[in-house]
Amino acid sequence: DIQMTQSPSSLSASVGDRVTITCRASQSINNYLNWYQQKPGKAPNLLIYTASSLQSGVPSRFSGSGSGTDFTLTISSLQPEDFATYYCQQSYSRRTFGQGTKVEI
Amino acid sequence: QVQLHESGPGLVTPSGTLSLTCAVSGDSISSSNWWSWVRQPPGKGLEWIGEIYHSGSTNYNPSLKSRVTISVDKSKNQFSLKLSSVTAADTAVYYCARLPAAPSPFIDYWGQGTLVIVSS
Repeated sequence: DIQMTQSPSSLSASVGDRVTITCRASQSINNYLNWYQQKPGKAPNLLIYTASSLQSGVPSRFSGSGSGTDFTLTISSLQPEDFATYYCQQSYSRRTFGQGTKVEI
Repeated sequence: QVQLHESGPGLVTPSGTLSLTCAVSGDSISSSNWWSWVRQPPGKGLEWIGEIYHSGSTNYNPSLKSRVTISVDKSKNQFSLKLSSVTAADTAVYYCARLPAAPSPFIDYWGQGTLVIVSS
């Protein structure tokens, strides 16, 4: 099974900050990596697919990069509505989610 | 607009079988998509359970494979989850979801989720 490890597990940030979340796969997954945002009590929402493609309707302050085993999600200027939990998910072999990164004030 | 809606008992007794159904609207269950189940224990992260294609092909999480069955009902445009021998550890919000079939599938539509509690 492919394991996905996110870091950090949580972070504190302020509005306007640049935020970077990393996701590491236990083996190469090419670019088969997706990012989701989840707010309390809601289903997750797709942000980035195939490592760097921005889902329609998602603000351009979100970006993704990486290939192989190491990936990053960057929020260029954190907005109040971005405080949430973020998950990576691989689709190279079945599906696996990372453990999540909670972005807090 | 694609919509997915989970339904089923909110309380299941230990050692019993959890059964949920996901009704799909705005898309055909026979379209080029994987139909998936994901769960989230209270206060914890997401766990992929498994998925099915309309052909009947399935993929399951190895850690749950021995207890999981996912099936599709084309006549009702819905798919279902059965999880047997449940324990308190299976208490979670269960989501159904759609993944367009592609080299790197991603979840583009989710149900709203349904809380299932395992308790006597």
